[in-house]
Amino acid sequence: RKEVEQDPGPFNVPEGATVAFNCTYSNSASQSFFWYRQDCRKEPKLLMSVYSSGNEDGRFTAQLNRASQYISLLIRDSKLSDSATYLCVVIRGFKTIFGAGTRLFVKA
Amino acid sequence: GAVVSQHPSWVICKSGTSVKIECRSLDFQATTMFWYRQFPKQSLMLMATSNEGSKATYEQGVEKDKFLINHASLTLSTLTVTSAHPEDSSFYICSATDGGQAEKLFFGSGTQLSVL
Repeated sequence: RKEVEQDPGPFNVPEGATVAFNCTYSNSASQSFFWYRQDCRKEPKLLMSVYSSGNEDGRFTAQLNRASQYISLLIRDSKLSDSATYLCVVIRGFKTIFGAGTRLFVKA
Repeated sequence: GAVVSQHPSWVICKSGTSVKIECRSLDFQATTMFWYRQFPKQSLMLMATSNEGSKATYEQGVEKDKFLINHASLTLSTLTVTSAHPEDSSFYICSATDGGQAEKLFFGSGTQLSVL
């Protein structure tokens, strides 16, 4: 079992839709959590940090549930430019562990 | 924001040759640099962690004699793929941090290696 697991998708949604991604992690010692966005053959870029209290940035909302070891990302009012792979990232000690990513395609 | 420059961005080489990839931190001192490999439709896989002035720490299954990492200064780390073979074809990305904690990773733009 991988330490960080994500539904690989792909998620195919129309513009304006709301889409939610889930991520689970297996090691309870994990201390920091992030969502990154990666476009094809590009480097990952930090989208947002994830906190237990929830974190909202415009159309994006991230949530952490430590008890369930579960992280979520909600995208509202999807845009064509949101099409990308979304990576769940967990930090444990000095290790950064990437999920395999969830692919999103937003269509007109 | 912090910038990490990686080059080349794209390289094609013949089987058996060696390829060097450079990763530079442009406006900060990178005490730690990380090298990743990513195959199509798969996640980033950490290959090794390098600290300036010391030997790199390789992840399990990564051949240290195959993937030579040098972190000779606080702004430069290099990855050399020795005697490259077609199965080494992949997307290689470096990242750097200035504080030892991987809270904020600054990524290079990646190198697509194709071995013929």
